[in-house]
Amino acid sequence: GENVEQHPSTLSVQEGDSAVIKCTYSDSASNYFPWYKQELGKGPQLIIDIRSNVGEKKDQRIAVTLNKTAKHFSLHITETQPEDSAVYFCAASTYTDKLIFGTGTRLQVFP
Amino acid sequence: EPEVTQTPSHQVTQMGQEVILRCVPISNHLYFYWYRQILGQKVEFLVSFYNNEISEKSEIFDDQFSVERPDGSNFTLKIRSTKLEDSAMYFCASTGYTDTQYFGPGTRLTVL
Repeated sequence: GENVEQHPSTLSVQEGDSAVIKCTYSDSASNYFPWYKQELGKGPQLIIDIRSNVGEKKDQRIAVTLNKTAKHFSLHITETQPEDSAVYFCAASTYTDKLIFGTGTRLQVFP
Repeated sequence: EPEVTQTPSHQVTQMGQEVILRCVPISNHLYFYWYRQILGQKVEFLVSFYNNEISEKSEIFDDQFSVERPDGSNFTLKIRSTKLEDSAMYFCASTGYTDTQYFGPGTRLTVL
């Protein structure tokens, strides 16, 4: 069935360092790949997304890359700050279909 | 900025009782979804809804679950006879003509 794998499950970095989270999807029909940030007790908040016709997208300190051939996509956060600490989920879908979520990465940024 | 809202924020119920979770999607959105997240686990799809009918449902969404859009603004999830394993955060999401899904803050359901 459809599946999204996400690594690592936890990631600890020093403030100012970069963080990279990787996901792999199984459904080759997937064409939309969002990343959500979830803070404790809150709903997932969209932080960046990428569509299959684009290989890379950047928004300030956050970037996402997509390799459709390998079915990989990654989130890159540069110059991390303590407020970046949260759980990050990748997801994959086909247009307005359901989102298939990864298992999440708990990012801790130490001052 | 428009946002998805959900009520209640926390619902405690006894096993076997019915619960209704309510959502108000973003006003011009057309596609509606329910997801759930068991504590410490990933977000799982339950059901999608478009044009007043279910588009797709997961294996979790059995006969105990139902969804309804009773008016032009609310979107509800009903669990007819709750089980202990229904305890989770339930998230509503909506989208318009794009694929970007916006999530509500969630309802924490605790079944005792």
